Amino acid sequence: AQSVSQHNHHVILSEAASLELGCNYSYGGTVNLFWYVQYPGQHLQLLLKYFSGDPLVKGIKGFEAEFIKSKFSFNLRKPSVQWSDTAEYFCAVNPSGNDYKLSFGAGTTVTVRA
Amino acid sequence: DTEVTQTPKHLVMGMTNKKSLKCEQHMGHRAMYWYKQKAKKPPELMFVYSYEKLSINESVPSRFSPECPNSSLLNLHLHALQPEDSALYLCASSQDPTSEQTDTQYFGPGTRLTVL
Repeated sequence: AQSVSQHNHHVILSEAASLELGCNYSYGGTVNLFWYVQYPGQHLQLLLKYFSGDPLVKGIKGFEAEFIKSKFSFNLRKPSVQWSDTAEYFCAVNPSGNDYKLSFGAGTTVTVRA
Repeated sequence: DTEVTQTPKHLVMGMTNKKSLKCEQHMGHRAMYWYKQKAKKPPELMFVYSYEKLSINESVPSRFSPECPNSSLLNLHLHALQPEDSALYLCASSQDPTSEQTDTQYFGPGTRLTVL
């Protein structure tokens, strides 16, 4: 079955550490890719997105993600995290031509310790 | 402005009650969505409206009834819910469902629903 996989269920790290969250998908063909973040008690916010062009995309709050087509991956990175980055992170994929349907990964809980 | 608003923020209802959730956006978006999200889980799509017409119903039980009165408003009518329907209900919107390029979906803050 087509799916979106986030490999890390829970990541715990200290402030200033680097963060990388994995996301892989199994859809063939063209896809559109998103990372959303959900801070505690807050709504889903778009961190960044990739539709086409430069596979390295930069988002808000110092996050970036790299689309590697050959690996069906769209990993999220941040060089130096802050306590305020504690949140739930969701990768989402929309296969081109599938109109509205966003398929979400299971999510990764990131806890940053001060 | 990428704001989607939802009311109420919290709702507690009994299994025999009838209530409604409301979603509003003034970004001129023509697609609107209802999602259900359980704690620590990803959102699950329930319904999609495109140009005020129901486009997708993800086999949602009939105790959930969506309505799109105009291009800015989306309601979710609730009746005879079960305790397992307790969840965060998210509304989202996107710009143009007829565009060749995928739209970005923007989410509201959600309504936290508890069914007793």
